[in-house]
Amino acid sequence: DVKVTQSSRYLVKRTGEKVFLECVQDMDHENMFWYRQDPGLGLRLIYFSYDVKMKEKGDIPEGYSVSREKKERFSLILESASTNQTSMYLCASSWGQGSNTGELFFGEGSRLTVL
Amino acid sequence: KNQVEQSPQSLIILEGKNCTLQCNYTVSPFSNLRWYKQDTGRGPVSLTIMTFSENTKSNGRYTATLDADTKQSSLHITASQLSDSASYICVVTPGYSSASKIIFGSGTRLSIRP
Repeated sequence: DVKVTQSSRYLVKRTGEKVFLECVQDMDHENMFWYRQDPGLGLRLIYFSYDVKMKEKGDIPEGYSVSREKKERFSLILESASTNQTSMYLCASSWGQGSNTGELFFGEGSRLTVL
Repeated sequence: KNQVEQSPQSLIILEGKNCTLQCNYTVSPFSNLRWYKQDTGRGPVSLTIMTFSENTKSNGRYTATLDADTKQSSLHITASQLSDSASYICVVTPGYSSASKIIFGSGTRLSIRP
């Protein structure tokens, strides 16, 4: 069974803390994504990676960075967490390139609260 | 600007009834359109995919339609069950572009009442 695993389901952090969100997929997919989901706004892309060490900024990259040192792992880093980064974070992976990208497989999500 | 709009924002129906969710998009060129189901507190899961040349696709009690001329899609749920309570998200992949350009609608929140 295909699987995308996010390291933490729920996190509570304080303003200014550094936050790591980890995502691992077992499908050998080239593409990995980090989205945030807020009520009424839908899913917004933070960063996208199409290969090891390759990344592309999404719609809302400010305040975030990513790391992809191995094909199966994609990490999202909040260098200095702020209250407006309180959100649900979803990791996804897929095969393919460009408009031939296949189905997105999502993790269970990480709900982050920044106090 | 490429956009995906869904209606209604939320919907409540009785168990056993049918319902139809709408998705309008302005994405051009167009590659494919998917419907995803997202249970509360979980990640989205794909239900159907349609390319430009397809106008209907079924997955059990879920039937998606696509009219590429009017840029509209609908998801019809037949004989609803309590487990259908979820958000349904319309997702459009533009043609000739990076996977980072995939566009999500804001979803329809469906509640099934017993």
